[in-house]
Order: sequence, then C-alpha cells, then structure tokens
Amino acid sequence: GAGVSQSPRYKVAKRGQDVALRCDPISGHVSLFWYQQALGQGPEFLTYFQNEAQLDKSGLPSDRFFAERPEGSVSTLKIQRTQQEDSAVYLCASSLLTGGREQYFGPGTRLTVT
Amino acid sequence: GENVEQHPSTLSVQEGDSAVIKCTYSDSASNYFPWYKQELGKGPQLIIDIRSNVGEKKDQRIAVTLNKTAKHFSLHITETQPEDSAVYFCAASTAGKSTFGDGTTLTVKP
Repeated sequence: GAGVSQSPRYKVAKRGQDVALRCDPISGHVSLFWYQQALGQGPEFLTYFQNEAQLDKSGLPSDRFFAERPEGSVSTLKIQRTQQEDSAVYLCASSLLTGGREQYFGPGTRLTVT
Repeated sequence: GENVEQHPSTLSVQEGDSAVIKCTYSDSASNYFPWYKQELGKGPQLIIDIRSNVGEKKDQRIAVTLNKTAKHFSLHITETQPEDSAVYFCAASTAGKSTFGDGTTLTVKP
C-alpha cells in the first residue's frame, strides 16, 4: 500500500514568512511523529500525536512552531515568522502502534529560509 | 533527557566483510531501540529493532544486540554488499519519544 507522503517536498521561504508542511500518514496508523533533521545529523523529535491528541510537544523549538492533527489522520506542521535556523528537512513518521514503535517515515520536506 | 552517542561516524569496508556500529544511551527508561537506514534524499527506513526485554535479534544478514546494564546496543551487518552503503541511525525510545544518534556513513567498496 501507499507509504507516508509529505508535501511539498521542497519549500523556499523568505525570512519572516509563515509555512505549512503537510503529512499524510499510512491509513489506519494511530501514531504520528514530526522530526527536524539538520544536515549531517540525526532526526530530532518535535512532537507526537496519538490519533488527534497531541501527547508530547516537548521538542518544538519555540512557540513559532505549531502542529495539528484535527481528525486523527492528516497532520500539518506550521512555522510562523520563519528564521534561517529553521532551515532543515522536516520528517513525518507514522506507526500502527502506540508508544513510538515501528515508525514508517515519509521522504521529508526540505525547508530553506533565505 | 535522553542522550544517544553513536560510533563510528564513518565506516568503510570491503564487500563481503562485516560492519559493526555501536550506540550508547543514558536514560534507563528507554525500552525500544530501532535502527534505521537512510539513503540520500529519502526518509529513514526501519531495518531492525529490539525491545528492552530481549538481548539479541537477528534478521538474515543483520543483527542487533542490547546490553541494558551497560546501556549500549550494536548493529552487526554480515556479508556486506555495495547496496548496504547508506547512513545508519540508532535510536532509543520511550513513551513515543525517540532520540537518535548522529549517524554512521557506511561505504561498502566492491
């Protein structure tokens, strides 16, 4: 079946612009995760949803970052007033299970803030 | 919070040789340890995982070992092939939150 999809795949934003990144998880997957991956580093946890409930948002770097999953399926990560340090690949993962096991990742959205 | 250290950062082996990547973690509450392979321009792909109540797990050419007392776990790839060349990440997870190592770039020379 279809895997996790993310859109757009590439986004260039001018500093100060707002951006919205979309994640379509595998159908029926309960858990959804967002990660930020800087060049040459491992993914860093941002936030975790179980269905529509955001259970952990401890990794969001500032209040400019906001994530939602209103119907327990598609999720959107929004970044307001983008800054250069926000440039990274944003990865979404989903899991049939709760608790973070067996995550399937999407291809990521590469965000470049100029 | 959790801290995961991964070594080596780069590893080059001849085709057919074995490759070993090691990780240590700090939080004794971590109970799930996945390994991912990431190719250029793609998201990480889960290749094997182990839970805290198991010491070793094997799947064809890959195996993972876990020492909970010492808080370290390792990935072993035998009979390496050029298509094994990629970046490999370990992670330690608890209650939905995963902490990743910084990755190992594996190059398998034909």
